[in-house]
Amino acid sequence: EPEVTQTPSHQVTQMGQEVILRCVPISNHLYFYWYRQILGQKVEFLVSFYNNEISEKSEIFDDQFSVERPDGSNFTLKIRSTKLEDSAMYFCATGQDNQPQHFGDGTRLSIL
Amino acid sequence: AQSVTQLDSQVPVFEEAPVELRCNYSSSVSVYLFWYVQYPNQGLQLLLKYLSGSTLVKGINGFEAEFNKSQTSFHLRKPSVHISDTAEYFCAVRGMGGYNKLIFGAGTRLAVHP
Repeated sequence: EPEVTQTPSHQVTQMGQEVILRCVPISNHLYFYWYRQILGQKVEFLVSFYNNEISEKSEIFDDQFSVERPDGSNFTLKIRSTKLEDSAMYFCATGQDNQPQHFGDGTRLSIL
Repeated sequence: AQSVTQLDSQVPVFEEAPVELRCNYSSSVSVYLFWYVQYPNQGLQLLLKYLSGSTLVKGINGFEAEFNKSQTSFHLRKPSVHISDTAEYFCAVRGMGGYNKLIFGAGTRLAVHP
């Protein structure tokens, strides 16, 4: 079964640094998402992306965050000037029409 | 807007016993409903989904769920659990339409004891 692949699995970064989280979607999927799960809390929606533009974003997704699909395959989440509260597990998900979203295994981001 | 309430944060159960994990939702529009499972240090795996049709849906690993529109519920059940079912279970809803986001409940930790 095709999978969503995320890299790295764990990223440790100093506060204030920029990080880029990468996702390789399932090949025929058109809808892409990033979600976040702070330790012990629920999974929260960050942003959805379709047809090379943001479809919807949550209030969490402020100017510190950006997404792009630079080469038609990778889907990236960039966090500029990271803060301690950005520490979380970040999940990429991809989907097709009304079918369920498929999730990657996540990137654990630790901000020191 | 949608919201999801999982009524139990933790459910302890003995092996081979039946289990029900409760989920209620609210929405002003029709939604799709899902259950995802998260094993330790892993991502979210789809257990089952309700998109339309029969209100009783069967998923992987022997789980099933029943959509009850009048009670706005989508409870997850398994008649006999295994130790390997120990995990976090998330109920989620999504508006109809390809790009709609998932709204998750807070999760229920199922702990199966020998």
